[in-house]
Amino acid sequence: NAGVTQTPKFQVLKTGQSMTLQCAQDMNHEYMSWYRQDPGMGLRLIHYSVGAGITDQGEVPNGYNVSRSTTEDFPLRLLSAAPSQTSVYFCASSYSWGSGNTIYFGEGSWLTVV
Amino acid sequence: KNQVEQSPQSLIILEGKNCTLQCNYTVSPFSNLRWYKQDTGRGPVSLTIMTFSENTKSNGRYTATLDADTKQSSLHITASQLSDSASYICVVSKTAQKLVFGQGTRLTINP
Repeated sequence: NAGVTQTPKFQVLKTGQSMTLQCAQDMNHEYMSWYRQDPGMGLRLIHYSVGAGITDQGEVPNGYNVSRSTTEDFPLRLLSAAPSQTSVYFCASSYSWGSGNTIYFGEGSWLTVV
Repeated sequence: KNQVEQSPQSLIILEGKNCTLQCNYTVSPFSNLRWYKQDTGRGPVSLTIMTFSENTKSNGRYTATLDADTKQSSLHITASQLSDSASYICVVSKTAQKLVFGQGTRLTINP
């Protein structure tokens, strides 16, 4: 049981490049989400999914796309990277979208856009 | 202004001592309050989850308290260990999707 797995761990992009951050969970969780963590700020929600085929925007969705074709995977796509997207990205999952469920986080992906 | 404010921003204590971290929130409506531990370079790990009707929740040497009337929570760490060095994040749930994260308290345990 690996929990929530994110790849890559570290990535450097040039402005304008696109890339996909991968996220997979093996706990059969319905709810998955992506956050970014910036210095001096709390984690902020980018996009979330309450099940396969269902996604919605969070607090800071601009510049990011997501899809949820399977229960296990929830990739985050950066369409045209900008320096403002330099951040640490965390994928998270929980059993359902009920508010009392434990949320499990991945180990993070450090992204630098130059 | 953040809806979830944590204090202090950073704290240094000696191994074996106790400490208390504070979380004040203005989030409304309120569903539950969580405390997470985040080691440097790692993802957050859940410590406790409390609903508005719960006053206290323990997880080993970690004890969280909640006063929903004053909108304050605290995380007490007993007999600190070097492995307790981490950031501790307070998270308040408005709804299942709407979590408001505090900025965290950076705790350093010195031998």
